[in-house]
Amino acid sequence: EVQLVESGGDLVQPGGSLRLSCVASGFTFSGYAMSWVRQAPGKGLEWVSGISHSGINTYYADSVKGRFTISRDNSKDTLYLQMNSLRAEDTAVYYCAKDHTGLYYFDYWGQGTLVTVSS
Amino acid sequence: DIQMTQSPSSLSASVGDRVTITCRASQGISNYLAWYQQKPGKVPKLLIYTASTLQSGVPSRFSGSGSGTDFTLTISSLQPEDVATYYCQKYNSAPWTFGQGTKVEIK
Repeated sequence: EVQLVESGGDLVQPGGSLRLSCVASGFTFSGYAMSWVRQAPGKGLEWVSGISHSGINTYYADSVKGRFTISRDNSKDTLYLQMNSLRAEDTAVYYCAKDHTGLYYFDYWGQGTLVTVSS
Repeated sequence: DIQMTQSPSSLSASVGDRVTITCRASQGISNYLAWYQQKPGKVPKLLIYTASTLQSGVPSRFSGSGSGTDFTLTISSLQPEDVATYYCQKYNSAPWTFGQGTKVEIK
């Protein structure tokens, strides 16, 4: 059974930093691209960042480019999102999502971790 | 960047009704489109990919069509368990943008 378990969400002040983790199980993690997708309270889905199966290629939404860094450790079956210079508008539930066939649409999602940016 | 626009933003229909949701891309994306269902308080679920391929386990009352810039998600006979928000997502190239969502309710 595929499982994606996020952690690291917290309350952080504007300008602060946070690192999210997503531990994967039930599939060959190193064989799939992964992404982070967020959802602000009461709002829709926003793709944030994606990374290829090898980690060589990374992609970012304009809204987070230069502030967030996606990475992965295939030896630990873990995906990361380093978030710096956080803003109030980054407040959201952050989902880890598994790519289906190498084309960056998502067949499995984690339960999400809440990031709140507030003073 | 390519924008994805869904219509309507919300709809209310009776059990058994045929429901159609539209997703329009600001530029052509071939058939690189997926649809997701998000029930209240739940995680999104993949329904359809490559515009019309039903994901394993999804009921056959769901179908997708379209290519280029115009796409539709159809529920042939709305059921109470279909109450949810539906999102389209393009994946021809980054950024992998979602539509703003369509909320489906039972009348």
